[in-house]
Amino acid sequence: EVQLLESGGGLVQPGGSLRLSCAGSGFTFSTYGLSWVRQAPGKGLEWVSHIGGSGANTYYADSVKGRFTISRDNSKNTLYVQMNSLRAEDTAVYYCAKSHYYDVPYFDHWGQGALVTVSS
Amino acid sequence: DIQMTQSPSSLSASVGDRVTITCRASQGISNYLAWFQQRPGKAPKSLIYAASNLQSGVPSKFSGSGSGTDFTLTISSLQPEDFATYYCQQYNSYPITFGQGTRLEIK
Repeated sequence: EVQLLESGGGLVQPGGSLRLSCAGSGFTFSTYGLSWVRQAPGKGLEWVSHIGGSGANTYYADSVKGRFTISRDNSKNTLYVQMNSLRAEDTAVYYCAKSHYYDVPYFDHWGQGALVTVSS
Repeated sequence: DIQMTQSPSSLSASVGDRVTITCRASQGISNYLAWFQQRPGKAPKSLIYAASNLQSGVPSKFSGSGSGTDFTLTISSLQPEDFATYYCQQYNSYPITFGQGTRLEIK
């Protein structure tokens, strides 16, 4: 059974940093692309970033480019996102999502989400 | 960036009804279109990919169609568990974009 488990969420001050992790199991981790998708309170889904299975290719939304860095450690079956210079508008539940087919960014499985709150 | 526009934004229906949700892309995306269901407080659930392909385990009451810029999600014989918010997503090009969501409510 495919499972994705996010961790690392919490309360951080504006301008601060946070790193989220997503541990994957039940599939060949290095074969599939992974994305971070966030959802601000009461709002819709917003794609944040995607990384290919090998980690060589990365993509970012303009809203986080230059502040967030996506990475993965295939030896640990773990996806990361390092979030720097956090702003109030980054407050959201962050989901990791697995590609259905190699690096194609259509997602067949989602984690349960990690809440990030940016506030003083 | 490709904008995805869903209509309606909200929809009231009764148990047993059949409903259709529309998603329009601001430019052609071939069939690189997915649909997701999200219940309150839960993670999204994948329903359909490549515009019309049912994700494994999803009941056949859900169906999708379309290509290019216009797409539809149809849900037949609504049951209480189907009342949720539905999102479309294009994966033709980066940045990946979602529709604003359609909230399906019980009448």
